[in-house]
Amino acid sequence: EVQLVESGGGLVQPGGSLRLSCAASGFTFSSYWMSWVRQAPGKGLEWVANIKQDGSEKYYVDSVKGRFTISRDNAKNSLYLQMNSLRAEDTAVYYCASPGSSRGYWGQGTLVTVSS
Amino acid sequence: SYELTQPPSVSVSPGQTARITCSGDALPKQYAYWYQQKPGQAPVLVIYKDSERPSGIPERFSGSSSGTTVTLTISGVQAEDEADYYCQSADSSGTSVVFGGGTKLTVL
Repeated sequence: EVQLVESGGGLVQPGGSLRLSCAASGFTFSSYWMSWVRQAPGKGLEWVANIKQDGSEKYYVDSVKGRFTISRDNAKNSLYLQMNSLRAEDTAVYYCASPGSSRGYWGQGTLVTVSS
Repeated sequence: SYELTQPPSVSVSPGQTARITCSGDALPKQYAYWYQQKPGQAPVLVIYKDSERPSGIPERFSGSSSGTTVTLTISGVQAEDEADYYCQSADSSGTSVVFGGGTKLTVL
């Protein structure tokens, strides 16, 4: 059974940091581009960042460039998102996913709330 | 930045056909994917590579492409199909992922 399990979300003050993790199982994680996708309350899906299979290429949406860093550890079948200088507008459910693949794997998401 | 445009809402009666469009300049070059999302749940892939249907997705879901527009068609809509639907593709370079704004399908 394919599973993507996110963790690390929570309440953080503006300007703070969080590190999200995603544990993958049931498929060959190292064969897929992986992404973080977020969804603000009541809003649509927004792609945040993606990373190539070997970690050699990384891309970000403009609004998080310089603040967020995506990484992966294929030996641990894990994806990460380091989020710094968090803002209220970063409040969202963050999904670990493989959009753009024929499998379309998605986790259940982890909620990040940025508030004082 | 690159955008995909979807209608905010579509309404159909049970048994009718629903069509949801998605427009974007790079769609002739990049595949489109469609996701169904029900309240409180993660998105589920219903169409990949413009028109391919994943295993387990009912045959009433189909996709097509014409120029800068792709279309998700749901034939014989059922009450359980009421959900938000998102198209997804990539920019012309293929490096950035982009989602449409989403379409709320209401089954009357």
